Amino acid sequence: DTGVSQDPRHKITKRGQNVTFRCDPISEHNRLYWYRQTLGQGPEFLTYFQNEAQLEKSRLLSDRFSAERPKGSFSTLEIQRTEQGDSAMYLCASSHRQGASAGELFFGEGSRLTVL
Amino acid sequence: DQQVKQNSPSLSVQEGRISILNCDYTNSMFDYFLWYKKYPAEGPTFLISISSIKDKNEDGRFTVFLNKSAKHLSLHIVPSQPGDSAVYFCAASEEGGGFKTIFGAGTRLFVKA
Repeated sequence: DTGVSQDPRHKITKRGQNVTFRCDPISEHNRLYWYRQTLGQGPEFLTYFQNEAQLEKSRLLSDRFSAERPKGSFSTLEIQRTEQGDSAMYLCASSHRQGASAGELFFGEGSRLTVL
Repeated sequence: DQQVKQNSPSLSVQEGRISILNCDYTNSMFDYFLWYKKYPAEGPTFLISISSIKDKNEDGRFTVFLNKSAKHLSLHIVPSQPGDSAVYFCAASEEGGGFKTIFGAGTRLFVKA
């Protein structure tokens, strides 16, 4: 396992379509995070899982956004009825709960969404 | 409400000199601070961190300083190398890290050979 992987890397869609992104975290990490990054900004926190439990989702941008982590392993982020303002890089990260690197997030390379 | 602010969008430094990147925060509940480095087309990678119980942490060429009373931290890179050219994000979190880490907007560092 070499790191956090995200799929697809790039997605171009038309306004109104649904899109889903997948994240596979580092296998021994029990925490998983979704962030969004727009041009010139830092990563913006969206939601967080510890194992399969979604412990924080208040920052999901609207009810069109939802995330799951059904078995505590991979996670999906779905955006329904996409809008042009949803165009951004969607980053997934994972981390240990404890240990010397407990606070460190390991990021994937991101999934870039373009909504036409 | 930007809880973590990096007021310099870019910084240019000569190779071999010191790079100083600054960060300010507003949330006094933050107790863990991190710096991440990001190259184009890659996700951010962890660089160095500091707990609020310390005021300095050093790792090779990288040193982070924390001034809690001023709610300010800085990253020093010395000597700077061309490979250090990247975007640097300051980040902060409560409860020892991880959960809901808040990022600044980033500073793009150019190290000229």
